[in-house]
Amino acid sequence: EAAVTQSPRNKVTVTGGNVTLSCRQTNSHNYMYWYRQDTGHGLRLIHYSYGAGNLQIGDVPDGYKATRTTQEDFFLLLELASPSQTSLYFCASSGQGNYAEQFFGPGTRLTVL
Amino acid sequence: QQKVQQSPESLIVPEGGMASLNCTSSDRNVDYFWWYRQHSGKSPKMLMSIFSNGEKEEGRFTVHLNKASLHTSLHIRDSQPSDSALYLCAARGNNRIFFGDGTQLVVKP
Repeated sequence: EAAVTQSPRNKVTVTGGNVTLSCRQTNSHNYMYWYRQDTGHGLRLIHYSYGAGNLQIGDVPDGYKATRTTQEDFFLLLELASPSQTSLYFCASSGQGNYAEQFFGPGTRLTVL
Repeated sequence: QQKVQQSPESLIVPEGGMASLNCTSSDRNVDYFWWYRQHSGKSPKMLMSIFSNGEKEEGRFTVHLNKASLHTSLHIRDSQPSDSALYLCAARGNNRIFFGDGTQLVVKP
């Protein structure tokens, strides 16, 4: 089964702080995704990538940057964190094409005070 | 505008009963649907996918798809307390995947 890991698992920061969330997948998947999940909402896509060096904008990109440094590693950056970014963040990966199943990491719970 | 709508928001069924969950897309370009299950405190995992008209059965789970109305439904027969979870519908359209807000299913012993 696909393995997707995320770090840290929990993070608390203050308003205006700098946060980097990390995601690594070890199954040679081309596609990687960053989602946020809030109570009452499903998964909202922040950014995604087709491969190393590629970045695509999702549905809720404001306040977030992302970078795909290798096929395995995808990072989400919050440069000036705000309380509205308090959420549960999931990373996912999938094989070639958008017909493939997405495999999710365990999630990172971020709290911005 | 939400491209994937799920209903009901929450559902309570007795153990052994049938649970029926619905999902509709407002995007005519949608051509593929998935159902994911997310237990409390866990990450989503794919349950079933469907892209052809008709139904697909895997054990206690059956998925229906009507492509003309862009409506899919998930039916769980002989529901178990372990089926209690958030069920997310996802749809592919215009080379993008969209998730609905989910149906929270509670199976009461």
